[in-house]
Amino acid sequence: EDQVTQSPEALRLQEGESSSLNCSYTVSGLRGLFWYRQDPGKGPEFLFTLYSAGEEKEKERLKATLTKKESFLHITAPKPEDSATYLCAVHTIIQGAQKLVFGQGTRLTINP
Amino acid sequence: DSGVTQTPKHLITATGQRVTLRCSPRSGDLSVYWYQQSLDQGLQFLIQYYNGEERAKGNILERFSAQQFPDLHSELNLSSLELGDSALYFCASSHLAGGTQAAYEQYFGPGTRLTVT
Repeated sequence: EDQVTQSPEALRLQEGESSSLNCSYTVSGLRGLFWYRQDPGKGPEFLFTLYSAGEEKEKERLKATLTKKESFLHITAPKPEDSATYLCAVHTIIQGAQKLVFGQGTRLTINP
Repeated sequence: DSGVTQTPKHLITATGQRVTLRCSPRSGDLSVYWYQQSLDQGLQFLIQYYNGEERAKGNILERFSAQQFPDLHSELNLSSLELGDSALYFCASSHLAGGTQAAYEQYFGPGTRLTVT
């Protein structure tokens, strides 16, 4: 069964304290891995797409990387406005239909 | 602002009732996806429509149905509501059908919070 597991469930950092979020996956055929940011009560906001192992994408203080079994979202010198839940999703095929399977998310809090 | 709109923002109804949630995709997007998000289940894919036709199904209950109209807006109908149906319901849109990788850069609406009492 295709699965996406994110860790940690929650992470609390001080402003400026860099860290990484993990997304591990087991899918029969990865067609893409996606990172989204979600603020409380709002819809997920698209951040990155990664397609192949070794690929990296950057946006401001965020950098996403991909290996054959996991992806990392590195956050460098975070600010309080980076506080959100970060969701990872994989594009896969289930019973002939292409779908996105989401992880449970990592709730990130940045304290000033 | 993603460009995807959803109405209503909040909905409170009783068990056994039927409700309709509405979604308008971004201008030019042909695919609409519906998701349910609850605290214990996370974000679950329900169903996808592309240019008026059903394209993919996820964990959608038989009590739920959806359709996409010629103007590309979509409606999700939830009937015989149960307490466990209380959740956030999101609509997302993308330009392509799902046959290519870029199809899954989905843009989400603000959601409808459904409370069943």
